[in-house]
Amino acid sequence: DKQMTQSPSTLSASVGDTITISCRASHPITDSLAWYQQKPGRAPNLLIYRASSLERGVPSRFSGSGYGTEFTLTISSLQPDDFATYFCQHYYGYPLTFGGGTKVEI
Amino acid sequence: EVQLVESGGGLVQPGGSLRLSCVASTFTFSNYWMTWVRQAPGKGLEWVANIKGDGSLKYLIDSVRGRFTISRDNAEYSLYLHMNDLRAEDTAVYYCARDLRGHGEFDLWGQGSLVTVSS
Repeated sequence: DKQMTQSPSTLSASVGDTITISCRASHPITDSLAWYQQKPGRAPNLLIYRASSLERGVPSRFSGSGYGTEFTLTISSLQPDDFATYFCQHYYGYPLTFGGGTKVEI
Repeated sequence: EVQLVESGGGLVQPGGSLRLSCVASTFTFSNYWMTWVRQAPGKGLEWVANIKGDGSLKYLIDSVRGRFTISRDNAEYSLYLHMNDLRAEDTAVYYCARDLRGHGEFDLWGQGSLVTVSS
């Protein structure tokens, strides 16, 4: 199975900061990667698919990059609504697997 | 409104069975792969199973294969997860989700249904 490793597990930031979350795949996955945001008690919300494509309705301050085994999610000018947990997920074959999550806190 | 609404969760004893349902609204259900993802309390996300739009292809994670079955009724706009021989480690919130392009990117999620396996 392909393992997805996110870092850091927790990130402290302030409103207006630019932050970067990393996701590493144990095997190459081309650009078959998605990013989700999840708030407590809520379902995840798709932000990015195909490593860098922005889902409709997602603010442009979110961006993704990477290919193969190394990926990043960048949030520019962090807003109060962005404090949440973020997960990466590969879809390059089964089983689909998620990273362990990165909690972005104030 | 485009949405997914789940039902069927609850408390069940180890070895018991449960069926989760997910009803879709306001999109052409049969056009989409659908999936189940679970999240144990305080833990991360785990993909469980998915099924093609016409029901002809299904995939499940190894830890539930032989115990769980995924199915759908396109006429009823419904997705199901039949869970047998439940174990404590199956305790989780179970989400149904729509696959954006049939590749494994989930763009629409239900509210989640809690399954608790305990004696």
